[in-house]
Amino acid sequence: QVQLVQSGAEAKKPGSSVKVSCEASGGTFSTHAINWVRQAPGQGLQWVGRIIPVFRKVDYAEEFQGRVTITRDESTASVFMELSSLRPEDTAVYFCARDKAQGVAGLDVWGQGAMVTVSS
Amino acid sequence: DIQMTQSPSSLSASVGDTVTITCRASQNINYYLNWYQQKPGKAPKLLIYTASSVQNGVPPRFSGSGSGTDFTLTISSLQPEDFATYYCQQSFTTPALTFGGGTTVEIK
Repeated sequence: QVQLVQSGAEAKKPGSSVKVSCEASGGTFSTHAINWVRQAPGQGLQWVGRIIPVFRKVDYAEEFQGRVTITRDESTASVFMELSSLRPEDTAVYFCARDKAQGVAGLDVWGQGAMVTVSS
Repeated sequence: DIQMTQSPSSLSASVGDTVTITCRASQNINYYLNWYQQKPGKAPKLLIYTASSVQNGVPPRFSGSGSGTDFTLTISSLQPEDFATYYCQQSFTTPALTFGGGTTVEIK
């Protein structure tokens, strides 16, 4: 059973960038898409984007277009989410999560989350 | 964009109660509706997918129903470990996903 292991917490200044990693431990990504979902403190869940690693196909939420880049490294079974031009409102826990089945049946495996704090 | 509205936003219940949470989509999403449970400081956990299919390992006291725009998550005989926040999520517009605002189930 694959597990998703994320990188640690980050503290960033407004205007800078952050890159969060997500490694598939105990398996490979196969054809499952890996999504990024964020959760601001005390708030709900917001989809950021996703990648299908095998095909390098990426999709981004309209709100983050131009600021987010999702990539993958097949040699390490890792996916990366880079968010630029950071603002204080980007402070959130960023989760990676795997599609159960082509995106229509939910997200069945989640990383532990990475806290990103944006503050001057 | 499809908006997902959950109700109530919070509720208080006792162990053994039956709890019902509703989720309404702003347009027809067929049966492409999933439910998650999230506990403080943890990642969400998939409970129900495609409206009524129970994820492997999830206790049978969790059930889902609905289609079109109106959906329900029911927890029968609430257990202490069920006190958490529950989110619905539509996957009709996959890859773009939208979540409801969440329902927190608290101990009465």
